[in-house]
Amino acid sequence: DAGVIQSPRHEVTEMGQEVTLRCKPISGHDYLFWYRQTMMRGLELLIYFNNNVPIDDSGMPEDRFSAKMPNASFSTLKIQPSEPRDSAVYFCASSRAPSDSYGYTFGSGTRLTVV
Amino acid sequence: AQKITQTQPGMFVQEKEAVTLDCTYDTSDPSYGLFWYKQPSSGEMIFLIYQGSYDQQNATEGRYSLNFQKARKSANLVISASQLGDSAMYFCAMRASSMASGTYKYIFGTGTRLKVLA
Repeated sequence: DAGVIQSPRHEVTEMGQEVTLRCKPISGHDYLFWYRQTMMRGLELLIYFNNNVPIDDSGMPEDRFSAKMPNASFSTLKIQPSEPRDSAVYFCASSRAPSDSYGYTFGSGTRLTVV
Repeated sequence: AQKITQTQPGMFVQEKEAVTLDCTYDTSDPSYGLFWYKQPSSGEMIFLIYQGSYDQQNATEGRYSLNFQKARKSANLVISASQLGDSAMYFCAMRASSMASGTYKYIFGTGTRLKVLA
C-alpha cells in the first residue's frame, strides 16, 4: 500500500490567493482527518470525515477554510483567501475505525507558506 | 474537557539506556484510546503504540511499552535500549467521545523532544 498521499509537498503562495491541498487516503480506511501543525498551536484537528461525510468541523478556523470528500479516495482542503497566519504544515491522516489499535496513518504533510 | 498534557518539552538520554516520556490525560468518557506518535526531523508522523481504556495489560511494541495507570490518568511511553534514531519529537494523543455532540475528539499533546546521546 502506498500509504496516505498528500500533494503538494510544499506550497508557497501570496496572500489572498486560493490554496487547495489534496489527500488520497489508504484504501479501505473509512475515516479521514485533516490536521494543522504550527509551533505556536501544535497539532490541531481541523475536520474529520466518516464514509465521506464530514462529522466534526469544529476545528476549522473560519469560513475561509473548507474541506470536501467527494469520494472514498480523495479529499481536499481549501483556503480562500489565504493569509500569512495560515502558514503551517497540513497533515491528512486516515484510519479504519475510531477504535483502531493501529492508530491513524499520516501523510507526509503539505508545508504551506503564505507570503 | 478532554485534554492531553506532556510536561517535558525536552529530554536527553544516553544511547542504550531506557527513557520514560510522560503523558497525562483528562476525559470523562469511559471508553477512550491513547496513542503515541513519533515525528522525526523529516516531519512525518509515525504511529508507535496504542492503549485502549479497557485493555487489562500494558501495550508493548518492540522496544516501546506504554505504562498505563488508569486511576492516575497517565499513559507514559517507555523506550528501552535507546538508539540514535530515536531522536525525535514524541506526541501523546487521545481519542475520546464527545458526549455533547456524539462525535469523537482526537487530541494531541504538545510533544516531547527526545535527544539520544552517543
